[in-house]
Amino acid sequence: AQTVTQSQPEMSVQEAETVTLSCTYDTSESNYYLFWYKQPPSRQMILVIRQEAYKQQNATENRFSVNFQKAAKSFSLKISDSQLGDTAMYFCALKETSGSRLTFGEGTQLTVNP
Amino acid sequence: EPEVTQTPSHQVTQMGQEVILRCVPISNHLYFYWYRQILGQKVEFLVSFYNNEISEKSEIFDDQFSVERPDGSNFTLKIRSTKLEDSAMYFCASSVSRGTLYQETQYFGPGTRLLVL
Repeated sequence: AQTVTQSQPEMSVQEAETVTLSCTYDTSESNYYLFWYKQPPSRQMILVIRQEAYKQQNATENRFSVNFQKAAKSFSLKISDSQLGDTAMYFCALKETSGSRLTFGEGTQLTVNP
Repeated sequence: EPEVTQTPSHQVTQMGQEVILRCVPISNHLYFYWYRQILGQKVEFLVSFYNNEISEKSEIFDDQFSVERPDGSNFTLKIRSTKLEDSAMYFCASSVSRGTLYQETQYFGPGTRLLVL
């Protein structure tokens, strides 16, 4: 069964600085998809960035980028130039291509301080 | 930009009552999902639905739960006899299809906060 682990329950960063959130996972499949979702206080789940395991190039979306290390089963999220609006719970999620479910990690609460 | 919508945003019910949570997936999406998040815990998969039938369900999705697509736009989750432990945020999600990262990306609605008293 697939698992996702986020070992940092809470993190904080100063506005305009860079922060990296960690995520490790386990799966027996060779192809799968990885996602980061953001959940602000409104509790809406918002897609931040996504990556396919077959693609070696790390995904980038504006200030958000990932460091995907397939051999290490690691998928960290880097947020550059942090903004107050980035304050949220961040969830890492895995989807195996053989199934339809997303498996989520425990989440990391990120606080951006002014 | 198309969005998944959910109603109601909040629901309070008495233990043992039936509740129906409603979702309108993004219009060209073919796969629909329900997840729940108990306060302070991780998001958990309940069920996926495609072509008018359940394609996958978790161990949480027991006989008290059912899903339905009653018409061309709505997707519902029914909890037959609610328990205290059903109190959670329930998220609906949808995806285009299967096969590529783009097609399989799931987009979530804003959630329904269910409180069972």
